[in-house]
Amino acid sequence: EAQVTQNPRYLITVTGKKLTVTCSQNMNHEYMSWYRQDPGLGLRQIYYSMNVEVTDKGDVPEGYKVSRKEKRNFPLILESPSPNQTSLYFCASSTPRDRSTGELFFGEGSRLTVL
Amino acid sequence: GNSVTQMEGPVTLSEEAFLTINCTYTATGYPSLFWYVQYPGEGLQLLLKATKADDKGSNKGFEATYRKETTSFHLEKGSVQVSDSAVYFCALSVGNFNKFYFGSGTKLNVKP
Repeated sequence: EAQVTQNPRYLITVTGKKLTVTCSQNMNHEYMSWYRQDPGLGLRQIYYSMNVEVTDKGDVPEGYKVSRKEKRNFPLILESPSPNQTSLYFCASSTPRDRSTGELFFGEGSRLTVL
Repeated sequence: GNSVTQMEGPVTLSEEAFLTINCTYTATGYPSLFWYVQYPGEGLQLLLKATKADDKGSNKGFEATYRKETTSFHLEKGSVQVSDSAVYFCALSVGNFNKFYFGSGTKLNVKP
């Protein structure tokens, strides 16, 4: 089954404790992206990657890092989480052709709480 | 810059009622416009799209027309069902589709 898998789905952590949210897709997609969803603000793009070893900032990259060492994986790293990073995070993937039609394939989301 | 503004929710309707969710946008360049739907506990799914002025996107009984003169892309459905209860996001992308800009989402509740 074609899917985008995020882990963990739920996490409660404390300020300053490094964490990684993993994202893996099995569709051989070149493009992957991370979003955060906050009430009243919708989805905001954090980082995206056009292919292996190619990443770029979205609109809200501060406090986050990403890497793209393999095509299928695009982990989101919070080196020193803060409470303002409490949010619902979504990973998405796509191909160039699908992206031109707006077709992004989303994971089920990871709800992160930073105390 | 690029941004999308949606009407505040939640919107509560009875089954078979007519639905309109307003969406307006600002964009640098000529955007493509999209509506995404998010069912409870799931990620977003593309509902419909329009890539140029006066195009009408449609899917599952939903429609939206790309109005360049009013910079709008309102979502409509003639007769909603309980199964349409979800959060609806208007979105745009400009240029090479590397970045997508989403509105704040509108929650729709449909009561039997």
